[in-house]
Amino acid sequence: GQQLNQSPQSMFIQEGEDVSMNCTSSSIFNTWLWYKQEPGEGPVLLIALYKAGELTSNGRLTAQFGITRKDSFLNISASIPSDVGIYFCAGQGGGGSNYKLTFGKGTLLTVNP
Amino acid sequence: NAGVTQTPKFRILKIGQSMTLQCTQDMNHNYMYWYRQDPGMGLKLIYYSVGAGITDKGEVPNGYNVSRSTTEDFPLRLELAAPSQTSVYFCASSSPGQGFSNQPQHFGDGTRLSIL
Repeated sequence: GQQLNQSPQSMFIQEGEDVSMNCTSSSIFNTWLWYKQEPGEGPVLLIALYKAGELTSNGRLTAQFGITRKDSFLNISASIPSDVGIYFCAGQGGGGSNYKLTFGKGTLLTVNP
Repeated sequence: NAGVTQTPKFRILKIGQSMTLQCTQDMNHNYMYWYRQDPGMGLKLIYYSVGAGITDKGEVPNGYNVSRSTTEDFPLRLELAAPSQTSVYFCASSSPGQGFSNQPQHFGDGTRLSIL
């Protein structure tokens, strides 16, 4: 099956710092998604990417769909304490089903005020 | 806006008991999914459905069953609970997109299940 490698596994940063995390895949995807999960809640969609090379922003968040369709990154600028949570990348379509998502294992972000 | 609603939020079961995790969505989405999330891991797909009356296995279906009699509801059943099924279960839904892209999945808040 398709595999996603998400890195880093965890990050411990100071408020105001920028953050970068990425995902790489052994096969291509048609869609890349980035979700955030806070304790006791389900994942919430942050950014959806539909085209290779696409660069999309959502406030302080920026994500890109890699040209090879096998990778994506998420940047968070000027981090704040409420950015704390687990960030998941997910790939959809490509060599697998158009319906199903393949998830990375997540990046745990801790922000020191 | 309700979105995807899961019940119960928490449950403790004894080994061998059975139970049904409920999931309902009010967005008229065709596609629905059940995932489990174990500590330090991403979400793994258990079962999914592309419409009422149609279900299919995901990555980790053993020990579970599903049904989809209506567009809104997609219950997940555990027949003989085992300790390995202790996990957090998430239901999600989405609608078809255009071409090869589907609309993103929307998740419920999860059911935390412990099997003792």
